[in-house]
Amino acid sequence: EPEVTQTPSHQVTQMGQEVILRCVPISNHLYFYWYRQILGQKVEFLVSFYNNEISEKSEIFDDQFSVERPDGSNFTLKIRSTKLEDSAMYFCASSGKTGDTDTQYFGPGTRLTVL
Amino acid sequence: QKEVEQNSGPLSVPEGAIASLNCTYSDRGSQSFFWYRQYSGKSPELIMFIYSNGDKEDGRFTAQLNKASQYVSLLIRDSQPSDSATYLCAVTSNDYKLSFGAGTTVTVRA
Repeated sequence: EPEVTQTPSHQVTQMGQEVILRCVPISNHLYFYWYRQILGQKVEFLVSFYNNEISEKSEIFDDQFSVERPDGSNFTLKIRSTKLEDSAMYFCASSGKTGDTDTQYFGPGTRLTVL
Repeated sequence: QKEVEQNSGPLSVPEGAIASLNCTYSDRGSQSFFWYRQYSGKSPELIMFIYSNGDKEDGRFTAQLNKASQYVSLLIRDSQPSDSATYLCAVTSNDYKLSFGAGTTVTVRA
């Protein structure tokens, strides 16, 4: 069964460093998302991406964040200058086009630890 | 701002019993409703989705939606220890982004 994959599973970085989190969505899906979950808190929407551009972003997704689909398979989230409060699980999700448009399937997540 | 509210639990049920989970949402324009299961340290795993008022059954799971009351529920029949997890209610409207509740932790006692 197709699934969303994410790398790395765990990323440790120093405050102020740049990190790139990578995702490979399900191959025939067209909508891509990033969510995050701070330990003990609810899952929060960051950004949605469709047709090579951002569809919507939350207030969390400020100028420090960016997303890119550099090729036909990868979908990346970049945090330019990490802060302590960026420590969280980051989940990538994808969904299809018609008939199943908004059923989102999640990857296993990347645990980001900012020291 | 869409709000999705769930009882945080924990909800403890004996093995074989029915677990009943509730969720309310604030945005009357919400169109799609999802239940995800999340084991500790893992990602949300889709259990069910429901779009129309009424009941939808899938194996041991039944989702119920009442748009007039802005209420969605999940019943887990014949609960198993492997059902012990946090259950997340999520809703979308036209924008497709998921708004999650904080989740209800379920513990099934063997």
